[in-house]
Amino acid sequence: GEDVEQSLFLSVREGDSSVINCTYTDSSSTYLYWYKQEPGAGLQLLTYIFSNMDMKQDQRLTVLLNKKDKHLSLRIADTQTGDSAIYFCAGTNSGGYQKVTFGTGTKLQVIP
Amino acid sequence: DAEITQSPRHKITETGRQVTLACHQTWNHNNMFWYRQDLGHGLRLIHYSYGVHDTNKGEVSDGYSVSRSNTEDLPLTLESAASSQTSVYFCASSDDRGPNYGYTFGSGTRLTVV
Repeated sequence: GEDVEQSLFLSVREGDSSVINCTYTDSSSTYLYWYKQEPGAGLQLLTYIFSNMDMKQDQRLTVLLNKKDKHLSLRIADTQTGDSAIYFCAGTNSGGYQKVTFGTGTKLQVIP
Repeated sequence: DAEITQSPRHKITETGRQVTLACHQTWNHNNMFWYRQDLGHGLRLIHYSYGVHDTNKGEVSDGYSVSRSNTEDLPLTLESAASSQTSVYFCASSDDRGPNYGYTFGSGTRLTVV
């Protein structure tokens, strides 16, 4: 099955850019996602990228996809304290697009 | 507004007891999923359903069961609770419009087995 790996923790200063990285194993992943989980809450979809794209930008968020290396990243520009959360990478797998495999999550701490 | 609700938010139970966690969605989504969240493991899929009377096992289904008698509900039952099932459980749903819509998650149930 699909494996999705992320580093567990990232700390940045307010106003700096954050880059959260993810690697996945299933080359058939056609959709890749970033979700955000705030304390005590469920996950919320932040953005997604289709596998035929290299980059997607949505306001402060930039998603980069390197399909050859199976590497996905999420860049948050001008990081704010409200961005402190756990960020999950996820991808569809060979089981069909309805079934998604989630990564281990990266806890982003923003220091004022 | 449509929503997905989980109950209870917190539950403490004893080893060996049967426990049922509720998930109710008003999105009219066909697809529903149960995940557990544990530190260092992220979210792991327990069971999922693509419609009424359809249920499927995920990667960590041992000790859990689900049934889908209507579109709105997918209750998760722990047949005989074990300490290894102490976790935070999330229910999610999605529709068939397309993968770009992703999942909608409930707020989670924190289960402690003592």
